[in-house]
Amino acid sequence: AQRVTQPEKLLSVFKGAPVELKCNYSYSGSPELFWYVQYSRQRLQLLLRHISRESIKGFTADLNKGETSFHLKKPFAQEEDSAMYYCALNAGGTSYGKLTFGQGTILTVHP
Amino acid sequence: DGGITQSPKYLFRKEGQNVTLSCEQNLNHDAMYWYRQDPGQGLRLIYYSQIVNDFQKGDIAEGYSVSREKKESFPLTVTSAQKNPTAFYLCATSNRGLNGYTFGSGTRLTVV
Repeated sequence: AQRVTQPEKLLSVFKGAPVELKCNYSYSGSPELFWYVQYSRQRLQLLLRHISRESIKGFTADLNKGETSFHLKKPFAQEEDSAMYYCALNAGGTSYGKLTFGQGTILTVHP
Repeated sequence: DGGITQSPKYLFRKEGQNVTLSCEQNLNHDAMYWYRQDPGQGLRLIYYSQIVNDFQKGDIAEGYSVSREKKESFPLTVTSAQKNPTAFYLCATSNRGLNGYTFGSGTRLTVV
C-alpha cells in the first residue's frame, strides 16, 4: 500500500528566508507526485506536479526516487505563501486517479 | 465560480440521523471522489467513482454510502453508523489524463 508522510505539522519562517516542506512516500512502483495548497478561505488547489517539472509561484519540487522524497522548496518565502500544503501520490494501475494525501503542513511566513 | 458545487456549506445532524451531502460538477470529468479532512490527519478517501454506475470504497468507507447515477453527480450519505461524522468533507473530480484534482469548496458537518 502507498503512504505519504509529511513530518512537519507546522513550519514557520520569516519573509525572505528559504523554505522547504518535506514529503516522503512509500510505494514500490513509479509514482506520480503532487503538491496541493489551501489558502485561507479558499479551495484546495493544485500547486505543481512532478511530471511537468514546472515552477509555480517560485516553488519547485524534485522527485528523488532514491530517498523516496518530493520536498517542496522556495528560495525566498513571501507572506502570501502562508497556507496549508499537502503532498499527494497517485499509485497508478487499477488505482489510477486515486490520490493518497499526506497529513499536511501549515506554513506561516512572518513579516 | 463554476466547476464543482458542494452543498450545503454547513450541515448539522442529530445523532442517529442520516444526512446527504451533494456534489455536482459541470467539468465533464469521469472520476469523482469524496475525502474527509480532519486536523492533523490530512485528507482521507471515503469513496470514489471512475465511471457512472460504478464506485469503489476508499480507506474509510464504513458508515458512508454513495451513488453515481449521473456523470455530474456524486452524493455522499453519512449514515448513523458513522461513529465520528463531525468533519470537513471535500468532493473532487479528475479527468482520465489526471491533470490533478479539482476540488469543491467543502461541506462542514457537525453532529449536535
